[in-house]
Amino acid sequence: EVQLVESGGGLVQPGGSLRLSCAASGFTFSSYWMSWVRQAPGKGLEWVANIKQDGSEKFYVDSVKGRFSISRDNARNSVHLQMSTLRAEDTAVYYCARITGWYNNDYWGQGTLVTVSS
Amino acid sequence: NFMLTQPHSVSESPGKTISISCTRSGGSIASNYVQWYQQRPGSSPTTVIHDHNQRPSRVPDRFSGSIDSSSNSASLTISGLKTEDEADYYCQSYDSSNYVVFGGGTKLTVL
Repeated sequence: EVQLVESGGGLVQPGGSLRLSCAASGFTFSSYWMSWVRQAPGKGLEWVANIKQDGSEKFYVDSVKGRFSISRDNARNSVHLQMSTLRAEDTAVYYCARITGWYNNDYWGQGTLVTVSS
Repeated sequence: NFMLTQPHSVSESPGKTISISCTRSGGSIASNYVQWYQQRPGSSPTTVIHDHNQRPSRVPDRFSGSIDSSSNSASLTISGLKTEDEADYYCQSYDSSNYVVFGGGTKLTVL
């Protein structure tokens, strides 16, 4: 059974940093692109970042470029999102999702809440 | 970059058929596959349609997807509406720069 479990969310002050992690199991992790997608309270889904199977290619939504960094550890079956210079508008539930085919997010984690507030 | 525009909400009675549109601004809807996700309250999204019109095996055949190049839009159609279909629905696509966009979401109410 495919499982994605996010961790690392919490309350952080504006300008602060946070590192999210996603532990994957039930599939050959190194064979799949992975995504982070976020959802602000009461709002819609927003793609944040994608990373290729070997980590050689990474893509980001414009609003997080230069502040967020996606990475992966295929030996530990995990993907991470390092977030810095956080803003109030980064407050959201952050989902880790597997990508199959042409950007189909076929499995999602339960999400981890990040709150940016003083 | 590009945008995907969806109606904010749609409502219909059980047993009826509805369609949710997703209009692409910037680039051709046919050039990059469209996915549709269902998100029930308090739950993570799940795929109901991928690659324009492909349905995962666990999704009932009441769900179908299509594209219309003349209007540069995609549509999700749900027939024989059930109360369990009440959810938010999001379209998603990408471009040649590997930039991914979600539509703003449509709230489906089954009255």
